[in-house]
Amino acid sequence: QQQVKQSPQSLIVQKGGISIINCAYENTAFDYFPWYQQFPGKGPALLIAIRPDVSEKKEGRFTISFNKSAKQFSLHIMDSQPGDSATYFCAASTLAAGNKLTFGGGTRVLVKP
Amino acid sequence: GAVVSQHPSWVICKSGTSVKIECRSLDFQATTMFWYRQFPKQSLMLMATSNEGSKATYEQGVEKDKFLINHASLTLSTLTVTSAHPEDSSFYICSARDPATSGYEQYFGPGTRLTVT
Repeated sequence: QQQVKQSPQSLIVQKGGISIINCAYENTAFDYFPWYQQFPGKGPALLIAIRPDVSEKKEGRFTISFNKSAKQFSLHIMDSQPGDSATYFCAASTLAAGNKLTFGGGTRVLVKP
Repeated sequence: GAVVSQHPSWVICKSGTSVKIECRSLDFQATTMFWYRQFPKQSLMLMATSNEGSKATYEQGVEKDKFLINHASLTLSTLTVTSAHPEDSSFYICSARDPATSGYEQYFGPGTRLTVT
């Protein structure tokens, strides 16, 4: 059973545009929602993360929006750049359960110059 | 930020042999490390949780006798793929949790590409 569903699977955006990736989760015990960026052949790198006690968190060009009632969260990449072309994964975990991450399926983002 | 390294970055081995992958936390002590595998164009799947000084906890469907995990120190965990077969070819990634932070953040290593011929 996939506990974190991510969409879209792929995304093409023009340079300077906004990339939006959505995730939905089922387990209401999740209390940590990170986003990771992964380049081909590399390990994932933490971009930004949010706890369920806030509805939005912004770090530079990256913003997480969190809707607890809908059990959804999203990543917005503002002013997308060609260097942002990568695969993005949302994830969720529960600290009480050992902080094991459950990953979404991933979104391949291509930013065209 | 916290740095996690893996060695080797890639390895080719023959079917039936064993291969060991090392995961090190370079600038922090990691009481807990995690091992993932990732097939091409797919997501990361958690294989096991490695706790320093105790036995690893394996996820359902992961053969513990095939994927041996040892976490002998606070900075090193190893994954040994025993009697490797071509279907074990994958990208293996470790992560480590820094207890000095909130406890939530996991820092990932660069991954190890295993090819079994």
